[in-house]
Amino acid sequence: SQKIEQNSEALNIQEGKTATLTCNYTNYSPAYLQWYRQDPGRGPVFLLLIRENEKEKRKERLKVTFDTTLKQSLFHITASQPADSATYLCALPPGGYNKLIFGAGTRLAVHP
Amino acid sequence: NAGVMQNPRHLVRRRGQEARLRCSPMKGHSHVYWYRQLPEEGLKFMVYLQKENIIDESGMPKERFSAEFPKEGPSILRIQQVVRGDSAAYFCASSPPMGETQYFGPGTRLLVL
Repeated sequence: SQKIEQNSEALNIQEGKTATLTCNYTNYSPAYLQWYRQDPGRGPVFLLLIRENEKEKRKERLKVTFDTTLKQSLFHITASQPADSATYLCALPPGGYNKLIFGAGTRLAVHP
Repeated sequence: NAGVMQNPRHLVRRRGQEARLRCSPMKGHSHVYWYRQLPEEGLKFMVYLQKENIIDESGMPKERFSAEFPKEGPSILRIQQVVRGDSAAYFCASSPPMGETQYFGPGTRLLVL
């Protein structure tokens, strides 16, 4: 069956460290994968999109990798700040158009 | 450019009543998606619409739920005869034609008493 899995446990890190979040999927061959941020009581906010032919993409302190052989994406936040505390969701399109399937999300807490 | 708007933000209904959730997509966006999020769970796809057309409703329960996106006006998600299990946050997202990124609204939190 098709699944998207993210670390279910919260990730607690110290300010200034690098946070690494994992997204694994099975029985999909997505053309791209996306990462979103969600704060409590709010809608998801798009962060990054990485395509199947891209190994890595960066945006400011964010870095995403995409390994289609391992069926895994890693999401890194360098020099983390308490303001980065949120739930991070990975999502991918299961078919030929834009409907997205989301992972359950990983909650990140950055402590001062 | 205003973002995706949803209203109401909070909706309380008694069992058996109807809930109507509205979504106005971003300007220039003709694709609308509805998702449901239960407490401590991820977003679950419900339905994908384009103007006047339902493209994919595979995630929507067969009974009591319906969605529309008319030529004029917002997209509507309608839940008839609500039950307690319908209590959740309902998010709408929009994208432009051929767009891959979805822009989400703030959600409507439905509470069924």
